[in-house]
Amino acid sequence: AQSVSQHNHHVILSEAASLELGCNYSYGGTVNLFWYVQYPGQHLQLLLKYFSGDPLVKGIKGFEAEFIKSKFSFNLRKPSVQWSDTAEYFCAVNAGGFKTIFGAGTRLFVKA
Amino acid sequence: AAGVIQSPRHLIKEKRETATLKCYPIPRHDTVYWYQQGPGQDPQFLISFYEKMQSDKGSIPDRFSAQQFSDYHSELNMSSLELGDSALYFCASSRAGQGNQPQHFGDGTRLSIL
Repeated sequence: AQSVSQHNHHVILSEAASLELGCNYSYGGTVNLFWYVQYPGQHLQLLLKYFSGDPLVKGIKGFEAEFIKSKFSFNLRKPSVQWSDTAEYFCAVNAGGFKTIFGAGTRLFVKA
Repeated sequence: AAGVIQSPRHLIKEKRETATLKCYPIPRHDTVYWYQQGPGQDPQFLISFYEKMQSDKGSIPDRFSAQQFSDYHSELNMSSLELGDSALYFCASSRAGQGNQPQHFGDGTRLSIL
């Protein structure tokens, strides 16, 4: 069965620190990969997605993610976080069907 | 731009009551997904519809049912409500019913069971 694992449940950073959130999935075939962000009290929003092509994907708000097929990973990065990046981040995987599997989420708190 | 609209935004029910949640997808989106997000938990997939037919089923209890109508809106019907059903219920929509189209989420309906 497909599964998505996010390594950190909680991350606390100071402003301007660099961010890397880990995401690993278990599925041997072709996958579509997503990162969603959920700001406090708001709905999920798409940050970026990977379908094919360049494994380094750039998203909104300065976020990027790198797909490493050999490691089944799709880590999210941002060089310099801001207080407004405080949110919960979900990695999601779709293996071509209608069902998207979400990771457990990583709660990021950025100290001003 | 139009987004996914869910109603109601908040709903309070008592145990053993029924509830109906509605979802209006983005225009021209033909696929609707329902997710349940318990307090402090990740979204759990419940069920999806493509062109008014059920396309996939996740961890949806037998007490719940859903359908997609001819105008592509969807309703999630919940009966014999339990305390554990208290959660945020998200609806998402996408176009073409394929996995490589990102899902756009609504604001969710917060269901509280007393």
